[in-house]
Amino acid sequence: GENVEQHPSTLSVQEGDSAVIKCTYSDSASNYFPWYKQELGKGPQLIIDIRSNVGEKKDQRIAVTLNKTAKHFSLHITETQPEDSAVYFCAASKGSARQLTFGSGTQLTVLP
Amino acid sequence: DTEVTQTPKHLVMGMTNKKSLKCEQHMGHRAMYWYKQKAKKPPELMFVYSYEKLSINESVPSRFSPECPNSSLLNLHLHALQPEDSALYLCASSGYRLSQETQYFGPGTRLLVL
Repeated sequence: GENVEQHPSTLSVQEGDSAVIKCTYSDSASNYFPWYKQELGKGPQLIIDIRSNVGEKKDQRIAVTLNKTAKHFSLHITETQPEDSAVYFCAASKGSARQLTFGSGTQLTVLP
Repeated sequence: DTEVTQTPKHLVMGMTNKKSLKCEQHMGHRAMYWYKQKAKKPPELMFVYSYEKLSINESVPSRFSPECPNSSLLNLHLHALQPEDSALYLCASSGYRLSQETQYFGPGTRLLVL
């Protein structure tokens, strides 16, 4: 089955700096890659997703890049703010979103 | 609106109790999910309902019993749980957004089994 590895497990950045979280996947048939943000005491919130026919997608301060050849994808957050502090999970799936394989999560802390 | 609601927010139960978790969505999604999440870990899939029929059961113990009364509601019935079942239980639903099926999560029910 699919295996998704996520790094780093913890990341601290100064407010205003950029943050990058990386994931690699094992199944070359995976073609959908969402990112979820989970704040303390809340459920995961979808923040951005990308399909395998696209190399990059951007939404304001958040961007995701996908390298199908290397089987890795990354989340980029620019101009970080304290409210970006949360746990971020990457995920991968084949075909539909019904069986997501999650990465282990990254605790992002933005220091004021 | 991409809202999935769950009740209760918190639940404490003894090992001999019977309780139920409830989930609701009004986005017209035809797939609904139950996940279990332990602290500092990703969500683990438990059950998937597709068009109100159970389509995936990830070898979950029978003390967890899902039910889908209609396309908007999903229940998880709990009976004779163990302390190790204490966790955040997340409900999700999925539907199509820009031709891509996308999962949306509820806020979760934090369960403590004593």
